[in-house]
This record gives sequence, C-alpha cells and structure tokens, in this order.
Amino acid sequence: SYELTQPSSVSVSPGQTATISCSANALANQYAYWYQQKTGQAPVLVIYKDSERPSGIPERFSGSSSGTTATLTISGVQAEDEADYYCQSSDSSGIVFGGGTTLTVL
Amino acid sequence: QLHLQESGSGLVKPSETLSLTCAVSGGSLSSGGYSWTWIRQAPGRGLEWIGYIYHNGATYYNPSLKSRVTMSVDRSKNQFSLALMSVTAADTAVYYCARLVIASLHYHMDVWGKGTTVTVSS
Repeated sequence: SYELTQPSSVSVSPGQTATISCSANALANQYAYWYQQKTGQAPVLVIYKDSERPSGIPERFSGSSSGTTATLTISGVQAEDEADYYCQSSDSSGIVFGGGTTLTVL
Repeated sequence: QLHLQESGSGLVKPSETLSLTCAVSGGSLSSGGYSWTWIRQAPGRGLEWIGYIYHNGATYYNPSLKSRVTMSVDRSKNQFSLALMSVTAADTAVYYCARLVIASLHYHMDVWGKGTTVTVSS
C-alpha cells in the first residue's frame, strides 16, 4: 500500500480560494476522491474521479489532478465550508485515505 | 434515497469481539456495481478503511486488520456485519458503514451511515 500526503491545515478568509493538495506517486495512475467531514458528522463525498462533482455539491468545489498530486479547490469559501477534508485513492491492496486537512475559515 | 444505519455494541471489553451491523434501506444490498464497506475513525484521528464485502459474500480486508476481521452479509435482512476480534483500546473509534462504488481498481464511498461509537474498556 502507499500513503497520501495532505497538509494538516489550511486557513482562508471568507470569499477567498482554498486549495488542498494530496500527493502520492500512485496518483499518477489512480483517481483521487475527496470527502468533507464536519465536526461530529459522517464524511460526505464532494469530488470523485479527480474532478467530478456529485449532485448536490456546490459548484464552488472543484478538483484537479496533475502527475502525482491531486488538488481540491474551494472558490469563494464560506463559513459553512469549515471542516476536515480527506483525499482517498485505491490500489490492488484496497482503499487509502490521506491524513486529512483542517480547513479554517478566518 | 439510500440510507445506512449502524448498530451494535457500544462498549466492548479488551480481548473480546466487537460486533456491528449496517442496515440498508431505500435500496438493495444486491444492487449491481456496488459493494459495502466499513471505515473507522479513532478519536481525533483520520479515516481508516477496514474492509469491504460484495453482495455475494466475497470479502477484502485491510492487510493491517485482516487477521482479526470478519465481514458477512445477510441478503434476506438487507444488512451486512462486521466482527473484529481480540480488541484493544486502539480499536476505540467511530465505525462507519458505507456503500462502495467499484469500477476496475477505482473505489470510492458515495453513501455513508452516520457512524456508531465503540469504546473498548474494561
């Protein structure tokens, strides 16, 4: 298996753009998925297959991937976006999560 | 709309077996293209994948937990279960069940239960 590396924390002011990275060599060949987890709640899928957005997820959430790094971008951050964000991928051994990034909206 | 609900023992003694069930409603456990998975989160920590099970009973476990984990499915009740043996305090966590979307070697969870807290303590 392998590790997905995320920054432990990101801080932005309301209305600004937040970017959260997720790195691993395996991402060159695997999709990245992103989950939002608010305090005391279950995770919610916000991006799948690197850049697809599930129905019901606001358009300000977007994803991209280049080489070994996937990126979650939240444009026009709102106070309600404050949460932990986890990237996830997979290989023949199973499912792997990044360590999580706490997004703080100042 | 698909709904998952975890239930089971909230307090387990060390060395005993943790047992949880996930009831699926609003859809069938046997739906094509999906499997069913368990994920846990220790207090203040990140997400850890435990394993998944197909509706036909085939299972795949996290190598780090494989020796202690058993998953099963009950199609008649539309539910699946997790058993984790020989628990220690390190197994204290919120346990989530989720629907797993599988396409080739690409996996992700699109629907999650709310989670259930399991504490290992004597």
